[in-house]
Parts: sequence; C-alpha cells; structure tokens
Amino acid sequence: GAVVSQHPSWVICKSGTSVKIECRSLDFQATTMFWYRQFPKQSLMLMATSNEGSKATYEQGVEKDKFLINHASLTLSTLTVTSAHPEDSSFYICSASDRGLVPINEQFFGPGTRLTVL
Amino acid sequence: GDSVTQMEGPVTLSEEAFLTINCTYTATGYPSLFWYVQYPGEGLQLLLKATKADDKGSNKGFEATYRKETTSFHLEKGSVQVSDSAVYFCALLRGDSWGKLQFGAGTQVVVTP
Repeated sequence: GAVVSQHPSWVICKSGTSVKIECRSLDFQATTMFWYRQFPKQSLMLMATSNEGSKATYEQGVEKDKFLINHASLTLSTLTVTSAHPEDSSFYICSASDRGLVPINEQFFGPGTRLTVL
Repeated sequence: GDSVTQMEGPVTLSEEAFLTINCTYTATGYPSLFWYVQYPGEGLQLLLKATKADDKGSNKGFEATYRKETTSFHLEKGSVQVSDSAVYFCALLRGDSWGKLQFGAGTQVVVTP
C-alpha cells in the first residue's frame, strides 16, 4: 500500500523558536496533503489542506501565519510552526491523497510527529 | 456542521470476545463513512468504508453497515484477538470540500489474552 512518512517523529524545542515538520509520500504522487493536530485522548482536528503548487487552505480558527504550509512538490509537504509556544505542543499528523487515482479519496496517513515546546 | 460521535474508551475485552464500537454522525445528505485504526506507534490505516446507505464495509473480520435511518455506522467483530488492540476512529467525508474528513474522538480497544 501507499506509504507516507513524517520527519522528525518527535521534536523538543524552546519557546520562540520555529520547527519544521516534513511529510513525504514515498511511492505515489500526492496531489493533496492534509495536516491534522491531535490532542491527548481527542480526535484529529484538520488544520489545513494543501494542493501541490498552490497555497494551503486553512480551517477556521487556524492561524496561517503561525502554521506555515508548503507543498512544493508532489511528494513533499512541510508544516512550519513559527515562534512556537507551549500551547503548540501536540501531535501533528499528515495525510496524503492523489485526486487522479482514486474515485473516492483515500487518504494515507503518516505516523505523526510529537512536538513539545518548553 | 458535520460531526461524528463514537463511544468512549477504553474498551477492555478478553480474546475471542465480541466487539462493538458505536458510531453515529450528523451531516447534510449522505456522506461516505469510514473506520480507521491506529496501532501503537503507527499511522492511521483505513480499516473499512461505506459510500451509501445499506452498504456494508468489511475487512479483517470487522464489519460496519451504513444505516441512514439511525445515522449510524457501528463497528463489529465477532472474535477479537490481542493484535486488534488499537485505537479505532470513525470518520465521515465532509461535503464542503474535496477530501476533508471529520473524525470521531477515537475509541481505544484493549484485548487481553
């Protein structure tokens, strides 16, 4: 099946610094990637949708200047948490899909990245 | 807006027991419905799906039937194994944009030998 990787799997940073998380589709072309945030014992919350070569679309309430998303190629999307603060600590998950291949979208999920901001 | 409600966990079962995880949804129209599973340390995997009313999705011994009358998509398995220990998420495909999923809170299942 399709494989999506994320890097790093966990990261600890100081408050005020920026952190970049990568999401890669390893064996297919991801025309669309989604970024989610998951709080402990809670559901996945969709943060934004990115289509290759265009600007990301953010969900209501998500600060686009804080969570910068770039989808420059068909296999890579990055999420940068700028000026991170402790409240940004969370589990970030990406998923990838190819509009062209599946009649009903099936998203393939990465294993997630645990961000801890001190 | 669209929403998904699923039973809280953890659900603890003995091996070979019957498993049911309830899932109900609120949405405009008839969205496609999914069950995802997250094994420890891994990403979410699609377990099964149903795209229209009365469809039954099945995979690995798990089944779920799309019931529009009760707006439900309950997950069942007749005889669980220790390897079924995971977190299970019910989800629907939102109608407002391509590909957007709305997830339930997830239900942790623990199967003991």
